[in-house]
Amino acid sequence: GAVVSQHPSWVICKSGTSVKIECRSLDFQATTMFWYRQFPKQSLMLMATSNEGSKATYEQGVEKDKFLINHASLTLSTLTVTSAHPEDSSFYICSAREPGTSDEQYFGPGTRLTVT
Amino acid sequence: DAKTTQPPSMDCAEGRAANLPCNHSTISGNEYVYWYRQIHSQGPQYIIHGLKNNETNEMASLIITEDRKSSTLILPHATLRDTAVYYCIVRVGGGGNKLTFGTGTQLKVEL
Repeated sequence: GAVVSQHPSWVICKSGTSVKIECRSLDFQATTMFWYRQFPKQSLMLMATSNEGSKATYEQGVEKDKFLINHASLTLSTLTVTSAHPEDSSFYICSAREPGTSDEQYFGPGTRLTVT
Repeated sequence: DAKTTQPPSMDCAEGRAANLPCNHSTISGNEYVYWYRQIHSQGPQYIIHGLKNNETNEMASLIITEDRKSSTLILPHATLRDTAVYYCIVRVGGGGNKLTFGTGTQLKVEL
């Protein structure tokens, strides 16, 4: 199946700094990517839908100015957590849809963010 | 998207079949049933999906009742590596449509 990677796999940053997380589709072009957040012992919550070449669509309650999403190419979407705070510490996961006959979404391995 | 109900946890002996149920009584005619699983601290993994016919692939089988109000994911010979949270998701077809994850079923496969 299709492969999606994320970088970094984990990151520790200080409060007030910004962190960028990359999501790449390695062997296919993804016109749509999704960003999720998962707190410990909870389910995944969709943050936003990222479409190549256009603005992301954010879910209700997600601050678009705090979580900046850029989908500049068909294989790369980035999530930047700006002015991070300890409550932003979470597991961030992206997924990408492989276009064509396949209807599945493929998920990246996730990025563990810890804000101190 | 229709809401799904799954048991919070299940245990299974290694080598046995694991049967994971899912209720989706409000499913619409154009909604598919998808199954994903998430091994601890990893991204979710697609397992299988179906509309109304039973489906089988190298990972699992999906049995959907005739009225489509419930389904069962079957792992025919569970191994320790199948220990994970299994999510049943119902949504309109099309990979561009978002997935809404519920709380899932924590499957624990034991010796």
